[in-house]
Amino acid sequence: EVQLLESGGGLVQPGGSLRLSCAASGFPFSNYGMSWVRQAPGKGLEWVSNIYSSGTTTSYADSVKGRFTTSRDNSKNMLYLQMNSLRAEDTAVYYCVRDDSAWSLGVWGQGITVAVSS
Amino acid sequence: QSALTQPPSASGSPGQSVTISCTGTSSDVGGYEYISWYQHHPGKAPKLIIYEVTKRPSGVPDRFSGSKSGNTASLTVSGLQTEDEADYYCCSYAGSSKRVFGGGTKLTVL
Repeated sequence: EVQLLESGGGLVQPGGSLRLSCAASGFPFSNYGMSWVRQAPGKGLEWVSNIYSSGTTTSYADSVKGRFTTSRDNSKNMLYLQMNSLRAEDTAVYYCVRDDSAWSLGVWGQGITVAVSS
Repeated sequence: QSALTQPPSASGSPGQSVTISCTGTSSDVGGYEYISWYQHHPGKAPKLIIYEVTKRPSGVPDRFSGSKSGNTASLTVSGLQTEDEADYYCCSYAGSSKRVFGGGTKLTVL
């Protein structure tokens, strides 16, 4: 069964850091690009970041560029999102997502909550 | 990276059809044939229902269809069923591996 399982969420103070992890299983992880998507409370979905299957290329939404870093370890089937200089507006449910055909977001994790508050 | 424009709400009775629009610019919707749509029931993971403007993943009913004209994409749900009540999001490729979502449309089945 294809599965993505996020971990590492929680409550953090403004200006703090947090690292999300995503464990992939049931598919050849190293063959797929991966993305992070978030949903703030009461808001819509927002694409956050993408990383190529090789891990050599990343891209970010303007709202997180320079603060968030996406990486992966293909030997462990793991995806990561390092979040620094966190702000209240980063409070959201964060989803780990597999990139599929034609830049679609084909497989989604259940999501993990990040709350930024003092 | 401005969000694509969707109507905040849409509704229809069981058996009817409803169409949800998604308007962007020539830098996203109008520039690529990489439009996807997602169904999101609150508390669950979003689900891909349309990709590459018109294609349906395996298992998605053919009641869901997509189209695009210029800078506007559309999702049509035919033969509405109660389980179709959910939030729907369009998403467009925007170049350099980036994606942009619409603001979402809450579909109510009356």
